[in-house]
Amino acid sequence: GAGVSQSPRYKVAKRGQDVALRCDPISGHVSLFWYQQALGQGPEFLTYFQNEAQLDKSGLPSDRFFAERPEGSVSTLKIQRTQQEDSAVYLCASSSLGGGAQETQYFGPGTRLLVL
Amino acid sequence: AQSVTQLGSHVSVSEGALVLLRCNYSSSVPPYLFWYVQYPNQGLQLLLKYTTGATLVKGINGFEAEFKKSETSFHLTKPSAHMSDAAEYFCAVRETSYDKVIFGPGTSLSVIP
Repeated sequence: GAGVSQSPRYKVAKRGQDVALRCDPISGHVSLFWYQQALGQGPEFLTYFQNEAQLDKSGLPSDRFFAERPEGSVSTLKIQRTQQEDSAVYLCASSSLGGGAQETQYFGPGTRLLVL
Repeated sequence: AQSVTQLGSHVSVSEGALVLLRCNYSSSVPPYLFWYVQYPNQGLQLLLKYTTGATLVKGINGFEAEFKKSETSFHLTKPSAHMSDAAEYFCAVRETSYDKVIFGPGTSLSVIP
């Protein structure tokens, strides 16, 4: 596609509800990243995929957070039993090759999650 | 551990005035450095990046930044501000052997007509 797309753009969840956020990276991009951006803060790394392999999940804040990319393209970030502190914008980014520092990461518009 | 600080969470400049957004980093290895811009309800867009070579980097929309190793700084400048430059700006650093990007807290730029 022309760029990274994310859906839904906005999600309101009741505390305790499970949510799933989708990321469609640029077609053919090998690397995919998820970030969490709290209000008034910079994005914080959550996890990284190279194709279908999740190479780094050190930024996931708890075991309620789970990400997958089963076919090496679309990725889903799932949050179980949402808490108010999960309210944030979740950003997805992709890059063409292995995600090395020389490569540009292209960001999607984000999903704004509000947990009530 | 790597970190990024941005002095001034909010900066206001007059239209046509110089824009200067400050960024300092800490890194134990030579870093890769980035500036991103974020317009309301949009994703981050790369303005410019320093990887190797020339320390003065030119980016899109007339922005440039200079990597100063001795000062551990990567300040962003633009000679003349436009109204369309009003946005949130993030400085970021990346480990050379890793893919994790560390972002600063951001600076909100307002341009006054």
